[in-house]
Amino acid sequence: EAGVVQSPRYKIIEKKQPVAFWCNPISGHNTLYWYRQNLGQGPELLIRYENEEAVDDSQLPKDRFSAERLKGVDSTLKIQPAELGDSAVYLCASSWTVDSGNTIYFGEGSWLTVV
Amino acid sequence: GDSVTQMEGPVTLSEEAFLTINCTYTATGYPSLFWYVQYPGEGLQLLLKATKADDKGSNKGFEATYRKETTSFHLEKGSVQVSDSAVYFCALGTSYDKVIFGPGTSLSVIP
Repeated sequence: EAGVVQSPRYKIIEKKQPVAFWCNPISGHNTLYWYRQNLGQGPELLIRYENEEAVDDSQLPKDRFSAERLKGVDSTLKIQPAELGDSAVYLCASSWTVDSGNTIYFGEGSWLTVV
Repeated sequence: GDSVTQMEGPVTLSEEAFLTINCTYTATGYPSLFWYVQYPGEGLQLLLKATKADDKGSNKGFEATYRKETTSFHLEKGSVQVSDSAVYFCALGTSYDKVIFGPGTSLSVIP
């Protein structure tokens, strides 16, 4: 079974430029998460989707970040414009809500460097 | 609010040494508890989990027991290997499907 797939793996952009990350969750998983992981820290939730509905976006910086999950499957996270402080790993994860213990499965991450 | 606290790293051990990484949590209700591992350049992988008090999660020689009375979920391994070098994250899953991670503990195992 394929895991969570993310692209691109690595991206280097200049500040003020836009960037987008794509995620394909595990087949059948209705919950999708975007986390941001700064160097040396644990992941922090940006947004969580149940199917196509964003049910928790309280930590998403809405002035420059946006996300969508069309048709309740793939998702895109966009940053526009990027700032130096946005350099981090952006992790997508998915889960099956009814799974006992709500285990979530992560992709390999998209590593963003803003210069 | 809900939170996770882990012992600070980095932790450096010799091969075959005993490992303990402490994790304590604050949560309302009855959370699930997890340990995730992140190898260099990779995403997080579930190592083990426990869904209720006194459950023991185990995998690849690692163990952790859900202790409600001490709100702890310490990770242990009897004999570490060089291949165990990674960052370990304790996490809790809340009753409203939110997973909160600790800051991570870096482990280096030297031959």
